[in-house]
Amino acid sequence: GENVEQHPSTLSVQEGDSAVIKCTYSDSASNYFPWYKQELGKGPQLIIDIRSNVGEKKDQRIAVTLNKTAKHFSLHITETQPEDSAVYFCAALYSGSGNTPLVFGKGTRLSVIA
Amino acid sequence: GAVVSQHPSRVICKSGTSVKIECRSLDFQATTMFWYRQFPKKSLMLMATSNEGSKATYEQGVEKDKFLINHASLTLSTLTVTSAHPEDSSFYICSASSATGVYEQYFGPGTRLTVT
Repeated sequence: GENVEQHPSTLSVQEGDSAVIKCTYSDSASNYFPWYKQELGKGPQLIIDIRSNVGEKKDQRIAVTLNKTAKHFSLHITETQPEDSAVYFCAALYSGSGNTPLVFGKGTRLSVIA
Repeated sequence: GAVVSQHPSRVICKSGTSVKIECRSLDFQATTMFWYRQFPKKSLMLMATSNEGSKATYEQGVEKDKFLINHASLTLSTLTVTSAHPEDSSFYICSASSATGVYEQYFGPGTRLTVT
């Protein structure tokens, strides 16, 4: 089955700097890679996702890149702000019907220092 | 994005009692809902996959008689923790995927269960 590794487990950056979180996956059939942000005491919120037919996707200060050959994908947050502080989870799945559960990484705790 | 709600957000119950948690998709029809359990500072642990109108598929190690899951409609799934014990105290989160959105899964806000 699929296995997702996520690094680093914790990340501290100064406000305004960039943050990068990296994930690798094992199943070459996986074709969907979402990123979730989870604030304390809340459920995960989908912030960006990418499908296997695309190499990069950007949404304002957030971008995700995908390297299918190397089987890794990364989250990039630019101009970080204190409200970006949270736990970020990457995930992967192979889905043709929406019934497949996501396989999550272990999460990265991002702290943005003002 | 789509909205998923959970009720209650917090619940405290006594050992031996049962508690029901509801998960609703508010603006879309969810053919599949997933139930997760999350321990402090840990990742999400999948408990079961629930398809509307059929029995849930439980992950290895999850007691189906203890964690009863019902997905009776396209907008509602329930998780009932039966004969709760303190070790069942946890953060329970559901997610839902729509019939048309075959990739995206949206999470509810979670339910904090404390068993005393």
